[in-house]
Amino acid sequence: GESVGLHLPTLSVQEGDNSIINCAYSNSASDYFIWYKQESGKGPQFIIDIRSNMDKRQGQRVTVLLNKTVKHLSLQIAATQPGDSAVYFCAENISGNTGKLIFGQGTTLQVKP
Amino acid sequence: EPEVTQTPSHQVTQMGQEVILRCVPISNHLYFYWYRQILGQKVEFLVSFYNNEISEKSEIFDDQFSVERPDGSNFTLKIRSTKLEDSAMYFCASSDSSGGLSEQFFGPGTRLTVL
Repeated sequence: GESVGLHLPTLSVQEGDNSIINCAYSNSASDYFIWYKQESGKGPQFIIDIRSNMDKRQGQRVTVLLNKTVKHLSLQIAATQPGDSAVYFCAENISGNTGKLIFGQGTTLQVKP
Repeated sequence: EPEVTQTPSHQVTQMGQEVILRCVPISNHLYFYWYRQILGQKVEFLVSFYNNEISEKSEIFDDQFSVERPDGSNFTLKIRSTKLEDSAMYFCASSDSSGGLSEQFFGPGTRLTVL
């Protein structure tokens, strides 16, 4: 069925540490994945995306890893900062469809100073 | 930087009343979406819209919901007879292409409270 889920509801890290947020997806046909960040009272903000023909993609301080064998997606944030505190959602999109995004439940990242 | 805007930021209505939520997508985008997020839950897809017609809609998007692009800039979501369970944040999004590989830009949302 269609579902995207996250392993942990809340992740607490020390400022400066690396953060890893995980996501499991169930739709084998999904071939495009996105991580969004949502701060309190705001809409989802694009962080990074990855296509299914890739295993890894890096941005500024963020890396997304995709393991299609076990249908697992992760977001790594290097040197986590207080401004990274937010809820993080993974979302999947099936190529050729109408742009419908299926979101996971969300992980709250808390950065302790 | 271009952004999606939504009005109002907060809408309070009585059960059974009609509401219209408004969105101005990014100007050169062609694909438009509505999502909702009940407090504390995940974001849920409602509908996608392209070329003046609905491309896909979810089970949530029943006969009480409708979307319209009344002019070249606005994209609206209408709920004809609101129910208590319609209370949620409603997000509009737009993209310059559809399907996989396209980033959707989200607006700040409209908080709908149905009393």
